[in-house]
Amino acid sequence: ETGVTQTPRHLVMGMTNKKSLKCEQHLGHNAMYWYKQSAKKPLELMFVYSLEERVENNSVPSRFSPECPNSSHLFLHLHTLQPEDSALYLCASSQDLAGGQYEQYFGPGTRLTVT
Amino acid sequence: AQSVTQLGSHVSVSEGALVLLRCNYSSSVPPYLFWYVQYPNQGLQLLLKYTSAATLVKGINGFEAEFKKSETSFHLTKPSAHMSDAAEYFCAVSPSGGSYIPTFGRGTSLIVHP
Repeated sequence: ETGVTQTPRHLVMGMTNKKSLKCEQHLGHNAMYWYKQSAKKPLELMFVYSLEERVENNSVPSRFSPECPNSSHLFLHLHTLQPEDSALYLCASSQDLAGGQYEQYFGPGTRLTVT
Repeated sequence: AQSVTQLGSHVSVSEGALVLLRCNYSSSVPPYLFWYVQYPNQGLQLLLKYTSAATLVKGINGFEAEFKKSETSFHLTKPSAHMSDAAEYFCAVSPSGGSYIPTFGRGTSLIVHP
């Protein structure tokens, strides 16, 4: 595998379910991100990790819980979601946060539907 | 704080015509600027980036962008549109120095007519 991979690619879950999204980067990067992309809305940054430490949490509801066990893996744990949480969830990585000049590499996303 | 404005949520061109996607930014310090493309059912992919070297930046797939400090702009162009260019395009800004997370524009959907 190369680049950034995300599993599953599609997920349908009920509002009472618990599920997890997985992201893995094979680029040796130090920073990883979760974004939410909804139809007709701008890209929303959810969480940022740098060297496995969370550095940003953009007022995301507690029903979303991130986990970064090492610099290559990032998880998003989901529980008691709402229908408005249906969206494309994108994972990204970058070499570092420092200086801001590093581009992000995105995974293909997980299409989440909450029923 | 930084921000990005992409003028026009949709741009429609004919195949073979010039593509111009507009991006204006605000930043309190010299910025780094990026253009990304997103094809349907895929993640974002870097097209090109400006990191204070040449003001005219060439990217993949024949795209280029020019950094104009006086106009705080970083517009994306391509001389001749191809059907395969139809996608969503995002401009992003990241201030230089320190640990900064990029800010994305709302995106512009490029529609290419045969």
